[in-house]
Amino acid sequence: DVKVTQSSRYLVKRTGEKVFLECVQDMDHENMFWYRQDPGLGLRLIYFSYDVKMKEKGDIPEGYSVSREKKERFSLILESASTNQTSMYLCASSLYGNTEAFFGQGTRLTVV
Amino acid sequence: QKEVEQNSGPLSVPEGAIASLNCTYSDRGSQSFFWYRQYSGKSPELIMFIYSNGDKEDGRFTAQLNKASQYVSLLIRDSQPSDSATYLCAVNKGGGGNKLTFGTGTQLKVEL
Repeated sequence: DVKVTQSSRYLVKRTGEKVFLECVQDMDHENMFWYRQDPGLGLRLIYFSYDVKMKEKGDIPEGYSVSREKKERFSLILESASTNQTSMYLCASSLYGNTEAFFGQGTRLTVV
Repeated sequence: QKEVEQNSGPLSVPEGAIASLNCTYSDRGSQSFFWYRQYSGKSPELIMFIYSNGDKEDGRFTAQLNKASQYVSLLIRDSQPSDSATYLCAVNKGGGGNKLTFGTGTQLKVEL
């Protein structure tokens, strides 16, 4: 079974802090994604990566950056956390091509 | 116009009935279509995917795709209370990166 693991289930951070959300997948998938999910807005793509050191902006990249130094790991970075970044963050991975994405368990981030 | 549209619901059906969930998409070049189920507080899990026009059946679930009408649906036969969840429609427009665009989801309630 594909396993996508996010480093934290719940996280509380202060405004202005630099926040790292980590995601690891164990199925040698090329593609990795970071989404945020908010009530009424659904899942929105922040960034995705289709190879090591490659990244592309999604629909809402402002205030975020990403890092993919190894194939299995994709990190989401909030450079200076703000209260409007309070959300559920979901990492996903997929094989290259037209295939389904597998999700991690999610990180509920609260910025106070 | 949203790229992927779903009625937010809730859609209420009695146990044993057929639940019909609908999704429309705006990009005619979209290549593959996915239905995810998400229980409250959990991450999305794949139910089915469909690439070609017509019907695709898997147990109690049937996905229907009509590319001319830009419409995809999910039918759940013999609905059970355990089917109560939010159902997310996702569309892959193709190209590099295998990026999925999600609808906001339809909440399904199966009542005893």
